[in-house]
Amino acid sequence: DTAVSQTPKYLVTQMGNDKSIKCEQNLGHDTMYWYKQDSKKFLKIMFSYNNKELIINETVPNRFSPKSPDKAHLNLHINSLELGDSAVYFCASSGRYEQYFGPGTRLTVT
Amino acid sequence: AQTVTQSQPEMSVQEAETVTLSCTYDTSESDYYLFWYKQPPSRQMILVIRQEAYKQQNATENRFSVNFQKAAKSFSLKISDSQLGDAAMYFCAYRSPYTQGGSEKLVFGKGTKLTVNP
Repeated sequence: DTAVSQTPKYLVTQMGNDKSIKCEQNLGHDTMYWYKQDSKKFLKIMFSYNNKELIINETVPNRFSPKSPDKAHLNLHINSLELGDSAVYFCASSGRYEQYFGPGTRLTVT
Repeated sequence: AQTVTQSQPEMSVQEAETVTLSCTYDTSESDYYLFWYKQPPSRQMILVIRQEAYKQQNATENRFSVNFQKAAKSFSLKISDSQLGDAAMYFCAYRSPYTQGGSEKLVFGKGTKLTVNP
């Protein structure tokens, strides 16, 4: 039974389109995150949510809008996709000690 | 703000040998957590080992162990008896203490690509 799941795993789309990535965790954690891994493999926090409330927003463009309908779900919607948005996006869920990562979504913008 | 530095972009090791990956960090906090994550080509982020800053004893998980030097802000990972399956990107990460508030983000180093030669 997957702890943190993301859909889709791969996403190929054209510039200017709008797309969403969904994330679900079954660990009962209150806190969830979105991280971005760029082409050089560098991982950086984008957002965190605690019990549906936005806690961290790391100067991410307004085109990125996270939404948490409940504490088990954290979705990421991206408007007007740009070439520079191509990356791997990881969802994570946090317990007291560790963060558990989803499998990642590879987004390719053409 | 906390920073994490991995000074070795790439490392290689012979199968069955030992390799050490370096990590240094900068923080003004006295209590925190440090982690090593492994990312194989499948891109899944896998936790290798965790160290709490308040613990003097170095963490160990089977063939993986750390050398935690709090004063020097150093946190290296030693892999003993290297196996082909150890080949991956390894990321060092820092996390502030748990507050239940959702602010405990992970700050990552840039990673070290480990190659294991047969």
